[in-house]
Amino acid sequence: NAGVTQTPKFRVLKTGQSMTLLCAQDMNHEYMYWYRQDPGMGLRLIHYSVGEGTTAKGEVPDGYNVSRLKKQNFLLGLESAAPSQTSVYFCASSTRQTGRDEAFFGQGTRLTVV
Amino acid sequence: AQKITQTQPGMFVQEKEAVTLDCTYDTSDQSYGLFWYKQPSSGEMIFLIYQGSYDEQNATEGRYSLNFQKARKSANLVISASQLGDSAMYFCAMVRGSTLGRLYFGRGTQLTVWP
Repeated sequence: NAGVTQTPKFRVLKTGQSMTLLCAQDMNHEYMYWYRQDPGMGLRLIHYSVGEGTTAKGEVPDGYNVSRLKKQNFLLGLESAAPSQTSVYFCASSTRQTGRDEAFFGQGTRLTVV
Repeated sequence: AQKITQTQPGMFVQEKEAVTLDCTYDTSDQSYGLFWYKQPSSGEMIFLIYQGSYDEQNATEGRYSLNFQKARKSANLVISASQLGDSAMYFCAMVRGSTLGRLYFGRGTQLTVWP
């Protein structure tokens, strides 16, 4: 049972570099999300998607872009990385079919921008 | 605006004792859901328990129960018979009926269980 898989698990970037984080889910969930976790802040929503081809901004979207070309994949892009984007990134997916919007999380990606 | 408040940055409990982790929430929605997640030192987010706003009974999942007091807007997690493996960060989260599964998280409570 793969669930939600994030790639990569760790990454170090130099300021100004770009990268894409990949999230893949095999549960046929409609909704997918990208969160970032910073010490003492809990998880904050960056962007989310309610279906293939649709995306929307969350709480902290600046500096990030996303795409959902296929239902099972949700990509998070950093065009020009900044040290303030050093964080742990979590992807999650959910469905309303269970009636409770339970989110299933990936393992997280630890990103350091130097 | 902070929608989920966890006032206890850290809690300590002795093994086999019960512990309550506090969570209060703020929403004007009639339909919402409350979650607790556990994050051990390995980093993954583990779902523990869910309470819907229309559920009349408090949710229970094994050693976990959710003390839901709707009028006070609180959703405290009770862990009975604590184990060393319960040491972790615990997050309270809410999904509002109007927000399509988007979770709002509190800042977490670090629980330490000692022998």
